[in-house]
Amino acid sequence: EAQVTQNPRYLITVTGKKLTVTCSQNMNHEYMSWYRQDPGLGLRQIYYSMNVEVTDKGDVPEGYKVSRKEKRNFPLILESPSPNQTSLYFCASSLGTGAVGETQYFGPGTRLLVL
Amino acid sequence: TQLLEQSPQFLSIQEGENLTVYCNSSSVFSSLQWYRQEPGEGPVLLVTVVTGGEVKKLKRLTFQFGDARKDSSLHITAAQTGDTGLYLCAGGYNTGKLIFGQGTTLQVKP
Repeated sequence: EAQVTQNPRYLITVTGKKLTVTCSQNMNHEYMSWYRQDPGLGLRQIYYSMNVEVTDKGDVPEGYKVSRKEKRNFPLILESPSPNQTSLYFCASSLGTGAVGETQYFGPGTRLLVL
Repeated sequence: TQLLEQSPQFLSIQEGENLTVYCNSSSVFSSLQWYRQEPGEGPVLLVTVVTGGEVKKLKRLTFQFGDARKDSSLHITAAQTGDTGLYLCAGGYNTGKLIFGQGTTLQVKP
C-alpha cells in the first residue's frame, strides 16, 4: 500500500531532550516536507526537500533539523525541544518537485508534547 | 513572511445552504491547492489550480483561482452533513515552498 508513515504517533518528552521523528514513504517520491499544525494557525512548513541531499527552510525552521540521505526517509530532529514546539507534526511527500502543485500525500501525524 | 489569509475561520450552516470560503494573499502563486482534513488524520488534497482564472468543479464543490493568481475561493452548493470538516488552502511557489491558510472549520447541521 502506498503510504507515508511517521513514528512515533504520540510523544511526551521534557525540555532539552533530543528527539527524532521519522518519516518514510514507499512511493519513490522526490519531494518531502515537514509541517506543524497549531490551532488557528493552519499548517506551517518547517523544512522541505526536493531531492536527496537537498533541503530548504520553510516558514518556521528554527529549532529543527532535517536530513535527506536517501529518497524514502526524511527525519525531523529536535536537538533541544522546548515547550513552544508542542504541536501536531505532519510529514508529506509528492512525486515531483512540488513546485507545480502535485498531490502531496500526508502521513498520519505525530502529536508531540514537550514539558 | 508570506501570508495566505483564509476566511471565514469558522462556519456553521444548515444542510442545503450554500457557502464560500476565501483565500487571499499579496503573493503570486504558481499553484493553489485545497485540502480537507478530518480529525486525527492528515490533510487530503481536493483540487489543484495552476492557471489564473481557472475554475474546477468537483461534484458540488467549485474552486476558482484568481486572475492574478493571488487568491482563490471554494464554493459548496447545497451543503451536506458529510461536508463537515476542516478546509485548508495552500499556495505553492516554484521553489517548492508551500504556504497554508489558517483553515476554515465547517459544520453542516442536519
